[in-house]
Amino acid sequence: DSGVTQTPKHLITATGQRVTLRCSPRSGDLSVYWYQQSLDQGLQFLIQYYNGEERAKGNILERFSAQQFPDLHSELNLSSLELGDSALYFCASSVGLFGEQYFGPGTRLTVT
Amino acid sequence: GNSVTQMEGPVTLSEEAFLTINCTYTATGYPSLFWYVQYPGEGLQLLLKATKADDKGSNKGFEATYRKETTSFHLEKGSVQVSDSAVYFCALIPYNFNKFYFGSGTKLNVKP
Repeated sequence: DSGVTQTPKHLITATGQRVTLRCSPRSGDLSVYWYQQSLDQGLQFLIQYYNGEERAKGNILERFSAQQFPDLHSELNLSSLELGDSALYFCASSVGLFGEQYFGPGTRLTVT
Repeated sequence: GNSVTQMEGPVTLSEEAFLTINCTYTATGYPSLFWYVQYPGEGLQLLLKATKADDKGSNKGFEATYRKETTSFHLEKGSVQVSDSAVYFCALIPYNFNKFYFGSGTKLNVKP
């Protein structure tokens, strides 16, 4: 158990809908990262927040957004969902701005 | 730029066989290097890491040595077990930069 929690574990929704994925980092970690893992694209970095501020952006679509709250939990919002958004979404956390990351168990999103 | 290249899988071995999974990288400066493991249905777990040239990371019988001259970080284990069946990801963080670059993953199947 990495100490990073993600909810929900599974999510099934229809195209065009909007969903919110939630992540709680390890106690004491200030950075939260979001990743998308799909069969065809592999593991893709989406975005990083550090102590409430966005610090790095990867291959995140404009339909996706994230935020980190004062209690350091983070939410990833996915809107206007498409079939291709079906994937595993992982959250990771680290103590500081740099360094090794600890991954949560992931949220499996299925868009039908 | 920064990138990680892993050998393509799947790799299929018999129990107690010797394992090597190749990983090479390109990076600006001196990155930190990592191996992560993903067991079926789970998130990524940090397996081992090395932060400077000639460092050897080791954990659970796995080893990898940071080779600057060959820009490699190959994963090895002397005697694999069925429980080692998983997907292994090589990754790097460039020096003083907060983004992980992951390889595409190598699936290992160990047969009894």
